Amino acid sequence: QSVLTQPPSASGAPGQRVIISCSGSSSILGSNSVNWYQQLPGTAPKLLISNDNQRPSGVPDRFSGSRSGTSASLVISGLQSDDEADYYCASWAVTLGGPLFGGGTKLTVL
Amino acid sequence: QVQLIQSGPEVRQPGSSVRLSCKVSGSTFKTFTVFWVRQAPGHGPEIMGGFVPVMGPANFAPTFPDRVSITADESTFTFYMELTDLKIEDTAIYYCAKAAVGYSSPIAFWGPGTLVTVS
Repeated sequence: QSVLTQPPSASGAPGQRVIISCSGSSSILGSNSVNWYQQLPGTAPKLLISNDNQRPSGVPDRFSGSRSGTSASLVISGLQSDDEADYYCASWAVTLGGPLFGGGTKLTVL
Repeated sequence: QVQLIQSGPEVRQPGSSVRLSCKVSGSTFKTFTVFWVRQAPGHGPEIMGGFVPVMGPANFAPTFPDRVSITADESTFTFYMELTDLKIEDTAIYYCAKAAVGYSSPIAFWGPGTLVTVS
């Protein structure tokens, strides 16, 4: 089944560390790297982490990613109020001929 | 610097069609890997299809059998996506986006999106 599963919500206080998980099938997450996107309200998604753990230019090192087997994680350290956004994992799906996105996790900074 | 400029919002009735445009710059047009991605209210992004002019026909996600087409006009550096037989559930923001490098590389650049309302 072509699904990437994320928790619908996550929260943390300023300065804390938050981990957002993403799980999928062996044919998707088990075979391809994961990318993470941040989507602020009313804007397009922004690439946050590529190829499991690479930060594009300009992304703070507070954001990090990892993948093991059919699961992946996004870690946000030193939480800030402007980290409040929706976060999506994505991985290549041969059956789609393109990336499959997770359902998203809404991060609330308390 | 890669830029993607999308056309304005559209309102359509069920059963009709819509054609959206995406004018690009900052990268060689013939090898510009464009994806069309839509996002319904409260949902995650959903890939519709991808196209690279130099590689020939577009690829489409099986979710949209025979309802989507992607074309390109090199003279104006513009990509088009047409969705036919619109349904209420096609109401969404439609993004054109560009892969970082090759076809299966991460989507790294996004247009601002076009809201399509089917009502």
